[in-house]
Amino acid sequence: QSALTQPASVSGSPGQSITISCTGTRSDVGSYNLVSWYQQHPAKAPQVMIYEGSKRPSGVSNRFSGSKSGNTASLTISGLQAEDEADYYCCSYAGNSTLVFGGGTKLTVL
Amino acid sequence: QVQLQESGPGLVKSSETLSLTCTVSGGSISGFYWNWIRQPPGKGLEWVGSIYYRGSTHFNPSLKSRVTISLDTPKSQFSLRLNSVTAADTAVYYCARVGDILTAWPFAIDYWGQGIMVSVSS
Repeated sequence: QSALTQPASVSGSPGQSITISCTGTRSDVGSYNLVSWYQQHPAKAPQVMIYEGSKRPSGVSNRFSGSKSGNTASLTISGLQAEDEADYYCCSYAGNSTLVFGGGTKLTVL
Repeated sequence: QVQLQESGPGLVKSSETLSLTCTVSGGSISGFYWNWIRQPPGKGLEWVGSIYYRGSTHFNPSLKSRVTISLDTPKSQFSLRLNSVTAADTAVYYCARVGDILTAWPFAIDYWGQGIMVSVSS
């Protein structure tokens, strides 16, 4: 079970869109539509932004969207706002009731 | 509103056993996996393991030989024991709830504890 691969950092200006990728294998991302995405602000617990690959919990802005193609899941944030600056983690079901996280991506809003 | 709260010592000596407890309030234990997730200072999240409400346990293969997770349903608590700790086990430890495949958010973490910092001293 290896960590999913995410870019270490991404950046964008207010109003722009960014996409964070999350690459796994046929054993996790590629086999299940069970990828979730988490936003973590400094010194805070993470909170879910996307589950089951593309579903948004109630209360999460529709500026956040998720998708998947093959072994790679993606999180897109449109209309970037200063409050979106945070760390983002993907997480996938990996079979046998196990989970695996990505290494995390630091989003900077310029 | 479901709440999770970690408790336990914030300092553990190297080679000894780290023990933490998570108390769940405001919701049922049934239908969920109860998880431990850790985050070393300045680093990313790592799934440690979980216990299903029916008692089965599941672990990160890299930690499996050192981890025990138990559940006390009447007390709505679950616990983590990590033995033979080293400095690499220094981290914020979160307890968290994950729904099973029949829940609204299957295999997504819907509730987290606030986290507890555990340092391993030499």
